[in-house]
Amino acid sequence: TQLLEQSPQFLSIQEGENLTVYCNSSSVFSSLQWYRQEPGEGPVLLVTVVTGGEVKKLKRLTFQFGDARKDSSLHITAAQPGDTGLYLCAGLSSNDYKLSFGAGTTVTVRA
Amino acid sequence: DAGVIQSPRHEVTEMGQEVTLRCKPISGHDYLFWYRQTMMRGLELLIYFNNNVPIDDSGMPEDRFSAKMPNASFSTLKIQPSEPRDSAVYFCASSLDEGLSNQPQHFGDGTRLSIL
Repeated sequence: TQLLEQSPQFLSIQEGENLTVYCNSSSVFSSLQWYRQEPGEGPVLLVTVVTGGEVKKLKRLTFQFGDARKDSSLHITAAQPGDTGLYLCAGLSSNDYKLSFGAGTTVTVRA
Repeated sequence: DAGVIQSPRHEVTEMGQEVTLRCKPISGHDYLFWYRQTMMRGLELLIYFNNNVPIDDSGMPEDRFSAKMPNASFSTLKIQPSEPRDSAVYFCASSLDEGLSNQPQHFGDGTRLSIL
């Protein structure tokens, strides 16, 4: 059983469309990170959110941390083929340095 | 600055053989993590070190798995004897000690392990 549940598992959209990926848990995290992983490579950190209710923007990507610090979302505006990849959320326990990863959302943006 | 370096990138071996995966963390990073990624279970933390000392190995699946960090620039993950169910991509990651709330982990490109 995953500590962090991501949805949807797969997402295929046309270039220019918007998409949202969700990351939910019953646990509270001290911070939450989003990574993107491309085939044959390791995950690369996109953003860290720390404060409940926090919103961070990275160009066309918007990340939100839930008020209770249990959930998060990633919204991509006007998706491009370069956004294709596996998006992973990871929660940092407030007790130790261990990250718990979600199973990931595979995003495919068709040209 | 070079990132986390893992070797080999690919390993194919027969069941029962010993497998050794290697990792060189980013210079100056105090934490080193070993993960395993499979389609079924996603990315799982196996063990992590702080200043070369193993802190938490609760994710290590069995006694067949062992990890060492003899110095700040090198770590190994060993499987002996290997089994087909060990087939996965193994990642090493390192991070600075920046406190609990702001700790980006830098991942290597992984070792794709296939046990026949």
